[in-house]
Amino acid sequence: KNQVEQSPQSLIILEGKNCTLQCNYTVSPFSNLRWYKQDTGRGPVSLTIMTFSENTKSNGRYTATLDADTKQSSLHITASQLSDSASYICVVSQTGANNLFFGTGTRLTVIP
Amino acid sequence: DSGVTQTPKHLITATGQRVTLRCSPRSGDLSVYWYQQSLDQGLQFLIQYYNGEERAKGNILERFSAQQFPDLHSELNLSSLELGDSALYFCASSEGTGGGSVYEQYFGPGTRLTVT
Repeated sequence: KNQVEQSPQSLIILEGKNCTLQCNYTVSPFSNLRWYKQDTGRGPVSLTIMTFSENTKSNGRYTATLDADTKQSSLHITASQLSDSASYICVVSQTGANNLFFGTGTRLTVIP
Repeated sequence: DSGVTQTPKHLITATGQRVTLRCSPRSGDLSVYWYQQSLDQGLQFLIQYYNGEERAKGNILERFSAQQFPDLHSELNLSSLELGDSALYFCASSEGTGGGSVYEQYFGPGTRLTVT
């Protein structure tokens, strides 16, 4: 069964600290993996997209990694800011198919 | 601003009623996707259209239907509404099609539907 699981479900960190969010998937055949940031009540915004051949991709203070062998991805946030408080969603696509598989997200709260 | 517009922003209606949500994709995007997000739930993919044709179907109920018009805007029709249909409905658009592609999806601001 094609699934995407994210951990932790929620996370609270102090401003300025780093954190890492995890995404494990069983989607096959794998095409690409995306990380989105979603502020409460707003549409998701793309952070990174990685294909099979990419191990790391950065977008400012956000760095995503992908291990296609173990079917794991992580999103590392450096020097967190209050504006990083949001839900972070991992989405995996299948090769040749049109379906997208969504994780339930990690709710990150950055406190002063 | 993603360039994707959705109307209305809020909608309150009663059980058993029918509503239509509208989405205008970014200029040049041919694909439109619809998603449902219930309170404290993840995004659920409903359906995708590409250049007027249905391309993929997710967890869309039979009471729900959608279409994409020649000008590429899309409408999601929800009928026989139930309390459980209360949710945020997002539309996204992309240049191409195929989940297997790396086309970026741009999300609209959503329509908040409340069924009372």
